[in-house]
Amino acid sequence: AQTVTQSQPEMSVQEAETVTLSCTYDTSENNYYLFWYKQPPSRQMILVIRQEAYKQQNATENRFSVNFQKAAKSFSLKISDSQLGDTAMYFCAFMKQNRDDKIIFGKGTRLHILP
Amino acid sequence: NAGVMQNPRHLVRRRGQEARLRCSPMKGHSHVYWYRQLPEEGLKFMVYLQKENIIDESGMPKERFSAEFPKEGPSILRIQQVVRGDSAAYFCASQRTTNEKLFFGSGTQLSVL
Repeated sequence: AQTVTQSQPEMSVQEAETVTLSCTYDTSENNYYLFWYKQPPSRQMILVIRQEAYKQQNATENRFSVNFQKAAKSFSLKISDSQLGDTAMYFCAFMKQNRDDKIIFGKGTRLHILP
Repeated sequence: NAGVMQNPRHLVRRRGQEARLRCSPMKGHSHVYWYRQLPEEGLKFMVYLQKENIIDESGMPKERFSAEFPKEGPSILRIQQVVRGDSAAYFCASQRTTNEKLFFGSGTQLSVL
């Protein structure tokens, strides 16, 4: 069975700083997707970034980038030039590729961006 | 193209009543997932459906919970004889087909008094 672990329940950083959220996972699959979702107070789940396991290049979306280490089963999220609107819960997630299967979520990291 | 629509946004039930949660997937999406989120927790998978079929219900309690996704109309998550422990946010997500992006609804907050 797949598991996703986020070891940081809560983090705080000053606005404009860079912050890194950790995520590790466990799987015997070789082909899969990894995700970071953001959940602001509005409760809406917003996809931040997606990584295909077969791609060695780390995914990037504007200020958001990942450090994907397949051998170590690590998938951290880096937020550069953090903004007050980045305050939210962040969930790391895993899904098998090419299978009718669900997304599995970690327990989340609550991120506070301080003014 | 409207997003995934869930209603109601908030639902209050007394113990023993039934709760029916609705999810209209995005247009063209035939895959629907239901998740439950307890306070300060991640999303826990409940059930995965495709049109008229349950693909995976491994996360759904064996009793009192059921889900359907009929050929026409929204997906329904039904909880019979609710108990206080059922209080949670229930999220629906839809997907056009395997490997494609999942889109989430805004959730239904169920409160059991």
